[in-house]
Amino acid sequence: RKEVEQDPGPFNVPEGATVAFNCTYSNSASQSFFWYRQDCRKEPKLLMSVYSSGNEDGRFTAQLNRASQYISLLIRDSKLSDSATYLCVVNPGGYQKVTFGTGTKLQVIP
Amino acid sequence: NAGVTQTPKFQVLKTGQSMTLQCAQDMNHNSMYWYRQDPGMGLRLIYYSASEGTTDKGEVPNGYNVSRLNKREFSLRLESAAPSQTSVYFCASRMGQQTAFFGQGTRLTVV
Repeated sequence: RKEVEQDPGPFNVPEGATVAFNCTYSNSASQSFFWYRQDCRKEPKLLMSVYSSGNEDGRFTAQLNRASQYISLLIRDSKLSDSATYLCVVNPGGYQKVTFGTGTKLQVIP
Repeated sequence: NAGVTQTPKFQVLKTGQSMTLQCAQDMNHNSMYWYRQDPGMGLRLIYYSASEGTTDKGEVPNGYNVSRLNKREFSLRLESAAPSQTSVYFCASRMGQQTAFFGQGTRLTVV
């Protein structure tokens, strides 16, 4: 089993739609989680951290389910500018290597 | 704020040539990483350095060497470039369990 798994997509959604991505992880001792956004041919950039209690930032909501070992990202009222690849990131703790999922591609259609 | 700076941004090499990719961060981060990204493959870890003076292999270290020159700098060397090493290379740094920050990437083509 891969350390971090994501559905590669693409998810093609119309503007204004709500879309959700999941990411599963295998290391139950993982301590911190993040969602990154990557635009084509650019570097990944932090979108938001994922907290145990769930957190929201505008149209974006991130949740963590430790029992089932997955994190989710919900995007409401999709905009054309949301089109990108979304990477799930899992930190095992301490100074160990950061593990990235392969990313989920989102295409928002006019 | 410079953050993580990678040089060069673009490079074309002939098979068998060598080169060093440079990475420097000004955020006083302990950990630094080198990734490669190929279409459909996601980010794959080549080498990482948990702290100054230490380096460890990642998922795909073959054909590469690294040097953690000091706390700021972490270089990646290709001793004898091969076409399979054509990729986009990203350097990243972080402190503890904080978020990782990435450089803008180096687009390398080996012909």
